[in-house]
Amino acid sequence: EPEVTQTPSHQVTQMGQEVILRCVPISNHLYFYWYRQILGQKVEFLVSFYNNEISEKSEIFDDQFSVERPDGSNFTLKIRSTKLEDSAMYFCASSEALKREQFFGPGTRLTVL
Amino acid sequence: AQSVSQHNHHVILSEAASLELGCNYSYGGTVNLFWYVQYPGQHLQLLLKYFSGDPLVKGIKGFEAEFIKSKFSFNLRKPSVQWSDTAEYFCAVNSFSGGYNKLIFGAGTRLAVHP
Repeated sequence: EPEVTQTPSHQVTQMGQEVILRCVPISNHLYFYWYRQILGQKVEFLVSFYNNEISEKSEIFDDQFSVERPDGSNFTLKIRSTKLEDSAMYFCASSEALKREQFFGPGTRLTVL
Repeated sequence: AQSVSQHNHHVILSEAASLELGCNYSYGGTVNLFWYVQYPGQHLQLLLKYFSGDPLVKGIKGFEAEFIKSKFSFNLRKPSVQWSDTAEYFCAVNSFSGGYNKLIFGAGTRLAVHP
């Protein structure tokens, strides 16, 4: 069964460093998403992406964040200068169409020291 | 603001007990509703979904949920839980007014089932 994959599973970085989180969505899916979950809090939407453009972004997704689909398979989230409060689990998701269910990857746990 | 509320943060049950987890949302208009489950150490998995039609939807592993539009609710039920149902359960909504671009999640309910 096809699934969303994410790498790395755990990333530790120093405050101020750039990180890139990688995702491979399900191959025939057209819509891609990033969510995050700070420990003990709810899952929060960050950004949605379709046709090589951001469709919607939340207020969390400020200028420090960017997304890219550099090739036909990967979907990345870059945080330019990490802050302590960026420590969270980051989930990538994809869906076949806009109203369809989203399939989630296993997440990348980001720890900013 | 659009929001999803899950009433129970922690639920502890014995095996074979019945389960009902509450979920209410604050949107008007057309919504799609979902329940996701996260087993310990695993990623979010879809349990069931409601798009339209019969408001009683059946999902995997014996779970079902009922959409009650007048109450803005989508409660999750299982008649008899098993130890393997120990997990965190998330209700989520996306809406026409939100362009269906994003899921809004509830805070989650952590279920512990004791043998």
